Formats: sequence, structure tokens, C-alpha cells
Amino acid sequence: DAKTTQPTSMDCAEGRAANLPCNHSTISGNEYVYWYRQIHSQGPQYIIHGLKNNETNEMASLIITEDRKSSTLILPHATLRDTAVYYCIVRVLYRGDTGTASKLTFGTGTRLQVTL
Amino acid sequence: KAGVTQTPRYLIKTRGQQVTLSCSPISGHRSVSWYQQTPGQGLQFLFEYFSETQRNKGNFPGRFSGRQFSNSRSEMNVSTLELGDSALYLCASSKGAFSDTQYFGPGTRLTVL
Repeated sequence: DAKTTQPTSMDCAEGRAANLPCNHSTISGNEYVYWYRQIHSQGPQYIIHGLKNNETNEMASLIITEDRKSSTLILPHATLRDTAVYYCIVRVLYRGDTGTASKLTFGTGTRLQVTL
Repeated sequence: KAGVTQTPRYLIKTRGQQVTLSCSPISGHRSVSWYQQTPGQGLQFLFEYFSETQRNKGNFPGRFSGRQFSNSRSEMNVSTLELGDSALYLCASSKGAFSDTQYFGPGTRLTVL
């Protein structure tokens, strides 16, 4: 599986932009980068995903480098409610038991702490 | 649109018992995936069902099984519970294509005593 590397933890002041980096140097051409976050003991929440181009939605922006070996999730104006563990995931396609399959492989993520 | 729902939210069992967890996907979603989350191992993929067929499975013992019904609802079963099965069990649904986004439910917290 294409592995991702993220910092263990980061701090961000409320109202400032939070920039969360992720390295995925072994990513293949057809594999998507997904970002989820998990607030303590809740189910992971989908944030954004992308293949090659930068993406933006109401929650965040995703910047993917041209060589696709790394990406950055940007929360433009972090609030206390954005405190969570953020997971960068490469969605892998592979040959499963019944044909082509895909799965999300979660790493340890980045624990983002937003402070006043 | 209602999200993914899981029942029950909390469950306490004793070693050797079995347990069944239920997941109702988002309306219109045909794929359901199950994950186990523990402090030591993090989030690990259990299996995926699509149109009542197991399409994919992770590296878990045969005590973990699942099924999907014609209305896309899914259940997972764990037999002969062990202390190490204590975890948050998460269900995620998607429309079904491999590129579709998975949306997670709130999880079922299972404690095995």
C-alpha cells in the first residue's frame, strides 16, 4: 500500500490558517489522496480528496504537488472545533478476492490542537 | 439526507460471547465497509460488502464475519469474544464505485470483560 507520513502533532492559533502536510512518495498515478478527521471517539469525518489538481470545498483546500509525492491540507480559519486527529490517506486500488478492490488504509494521523 | 447509522452505540459483553453490530448506510449507497479502531492498532479495515457480496476483506480471524442485506443494510458478527476485541467498530458507506467517497457512522463501542 502507498504509505503516508504525517507529523504526529501540530498547534494552531484560532483564526489562523492550519496547514497540515503529508508525504506520499510511493503514490501511483491512479491513486487518490483523501483527508479525514476524527474528533475524539467519533467516526471519521470526510474532508476532501484529490487526484492531481488542487481542490477546495467549504471545509478546506487541498494542495497536491506537481509530482504528487506530497500534499497539504489547509483549514483557512481554524476554530476550536477543528481540534481533531487528521488522517491523510492514499486510496489504493488492488486485486482483491473478487476482482479489483480498493480500501482506505489509515495511518496514525496528525493531532491538531487549536488554541485561543 | 440522513447519515450512516450504527446500532447499538455502546455494548458490553463477556469473553466467549458473540455479538452482532448493525449498520444502515446512507440512502442510495450500496457499499458498506467495516473498520476496527483500537488504541494500539489504530483504524484497521475489516471487510467491505457491495450488493450483498463481500468484495474485500482485511486480515482478521474468521471469528469476524459480516453480511449485507438486499436493502444495503449490513451486520457484522464477532464470535467467541476475546478481551482484545474491545474496540470502536466503525461502518462506512459509499455509492459503490471504487472511486466513491466513504462516509463513516458514529461507531459502536464494544467492551469485552
